[in-house]
Amino acid sequence: DVHLVESGGDLVKPGGSLRLSCAASGLNFSDAWMTWVRQSPGKGLEWVGRIKKKSAGGATDYAAPVKGRFTISRDDSKNTLYLQMNSLKTEDTAVYYCTTYVTGSCHDWGQGTLVTVSS
Amino acid sequence: QSALTQPPSASGSPGQSVTISCTGISRDVGGYDYGSDYVSWYQQHPGKAPKLIIYAVYKRPSGVPDRFSGSKSGNTASLTVSGLQPEDEADYYCSSYAGTTILVFGGGTKLTVL
Repeated sequence: DVHLVESGGDLVKPGGSLRLSCAASGLNFSDAWMTWVRQSPGKGLEWVGRIKKKSAGGATDYAAPVKGRFTISRDDSKNTLYLQMNSLKTEDTAVYYCTTYVTGSCHDWGQGTLVTVSS
Repeated sequence: QSALTQPPSASGSPGQSVTISCTGISRDVGGYDYGSDYVSWYQQHPGKAPKLIIYAVYKRPSGVPDRFSGSKSGNTASLTVSGLQPEDEADYYCSSYAGTTILVFGGGTKLTVL
């Protein structure tokens, strides 16, 4: 079974930075396209960004609200996905999930990690 | 405002069927720009992570009961839950590939089993 475990969520002040990690097991991680999806408290799901597998170019794409502030990367040697978040805003407060991605679908989900942006 | 439109709530009694709609545009749910169908549905119980229950409009991941079925007509996709069971009470979200936007979600539907 695929197992995804996010970590790194914390309370951070507006304008601050945070890096989330997602440790993957039970899959050939280097072959996986991955996404980050977030969910603000009491709200719906919002796609954050996606990274292709390296053999497909490893390109990243981002949702408009985070483009230029968030960066997705991966370390296939560690089976780990990252989300670097800079210039955080209060509206970035959410539970952040990492998922495996097949065109149009988030197949496997982690349990999520909470990021709170507040002064 | 979410990119895909879902009704905020739906309900049904145990054993009944309920259908939840998900309306987008030709460039996402309609799939007209890329000639294929990439609509998915997720189930989320309170305090839990979402779980994929339907992908590619109608396909079910292994382990998902066949009481869950998906369909699509034009720019509207639908999730039908047949033979409602108490454990089906949850929030349901649709998503669609959307070209350069990559992925868009619906606002979610809270399903209540009466």
